[in-house]
Amino acid sequence: DADVTQTPRNRITKTGKRIMLECSQTKGHDRMYWYRQDPGLGLRLIYYSFDVKDINKGEISDGYSVSRQAQAKFSLSLESAIPNQTALYFCATSEAPGLAEQYFGPGTRLTVT
Amino acid sequence: RKEVEQDPGPFNVPEGATVAFNCTYSNSASQSFFWYRQDCRKEPKLLMSVYSSGNEDGRFTAQLNRASQYISLLIRDSKLSDSATYLCVVNGGGGADGLTFGKGTHLIIQP
Repeated sequence: DADVTQTPRNRITKTGKRIMLECSQTKGHDRMYWYRQDPGLGLRLIYYSFDVKDINKGEISDGYSVSRQAQAKFSLSLESAIPNQTALYFCATSEAPGLAEQYFGPGTRLTVT
Repeated sequence: RKEVEQDPGPFNVPEGATVAFNCTYSNSASQSFFWYRQDCRKEPKLLMSVYSSGNEDGRFTAQLNRASQYISLLIRDSKLSDSATYLCVVNGGGGADGLTFGKGTHLIIQP
């Protein structure tokens, strides 16, 4: 079984709809992250969490919110989806700050029409 | 200000050839460096960390030049399966834990 899982893997939704992307991990890591990837723009950090009680905004948090329900679960919500939020979304975890490898989930391809 | 810069490519290289690409970083205080590999529409995965003394893993060699603030990745005897996008990652910029991802270099190995 994969260490970091994301659901759904693909989603098409309409402008204005609320959508939640979910991430679960079995690695026992405290640190979790949400990124989006767009062609030509690389990976951009949306939100990150260093433990259940810690939530931090990343580079592009506007229009998104997150919830850290447990050490193993970190959800990303789009309260009112818009077309420029169409992207590939990745969840990642890491064991320790800065020096450590980040482990990515398989990604969620979101299309907002 | 671009903190981590990579040539986006694509680099088109015949199978069996040697290919190298660089990544430059702007923060001289950066302490750790990585190369990640990303296949099309898949998640990034760590390829190798880059140590001050340089390091080698099979056909792959990574080197760090602190004076000029760049890291390099050399792939020898390239295989078709090496076709991917290679992301340079540097600690010491923005982002969580100070990790900054480059936009990637696209490599295509041709038969």
